[in-house]
Amino acid sequence: LAKTTQPISMDSYEGQEVNITCSHNNIATNDYITWYQQFPSQGPRFIIQGYKTKVTNEVASLFIPADRKSSTLSLPRVSLSDTAVYYCLVGDGAYNTDKLIFGTGTRLQVFP
Amino acid sequence: EAEVAQSPRYKITEKSQAVAFWCDPISGHATLYWYRQILGQGPELLVQFQDESVVDDSQLPKDRFSAERLKGVDSTLKIQPAELGDSAMYLCASGGDGSEQYFGPGTRLTVT
Repeated sequence: LAKTTQPISMDSYEGQEVNITCSHNNIATNDYITWYQQFPSQGPRFIIQGYKTKVTNEVASLFIPADRKSSTLSLPRVSLSDTAVYYCLVGDGAYNTDKLIFGTGTRLQVFP
Repeated sequence: EAEVAQSPRYKITEKSQAVAFWCDPISGHATLYWYRQILGQGPELLVQFQDESVVDDSQLPKDRFSAERLKGVDSTLKIQPAELGDSAMYLCASGGDGSEQYFGPGTRLTVT
């Protein structure tokens, strides 16, 4: 399973767009890129998953360049409630039977 | 919306004592995971079940930890004897047909 590298922390203000980039230089052909969000004292929550190009849902967008060695989670117009830790994971995530390997994540702090 | 249930939410125990955590996955989910999360770090997989069978327990400290899912539904994780270093959040997750894992609220264990 490919290792991921992401910034330890980021700060933003309400209403701004936040982009969190994750590096995964050793991503395999079958690997998907998945992002989870975790609030204090709660379990992680699935945000978005993609394989290539761009994926968008009601919460976020995921941008994946052609070489797939990195990905960017984009959160439009963040609010205070988006303050959380965001984890980037890489693996054969098409199947729920694959274990998730979490790094230390990116701690996003949103200020008013 | 169906959720993963865990109990207790908080547990304080003295070292050398036995402690047990319970998890009830989302109905119909065949895959169940137990993770341990130390403060400031990402979750680490301890054990993975597919129905009642263990798929992966390579990171489970088997000298003191045990996990079971006898009927392929709910699951129990036990620690005996507990050590100071076991203080952490213990998270249960389940997966269905899709690629997403659903996490419960966790059990925060403090060993004194």
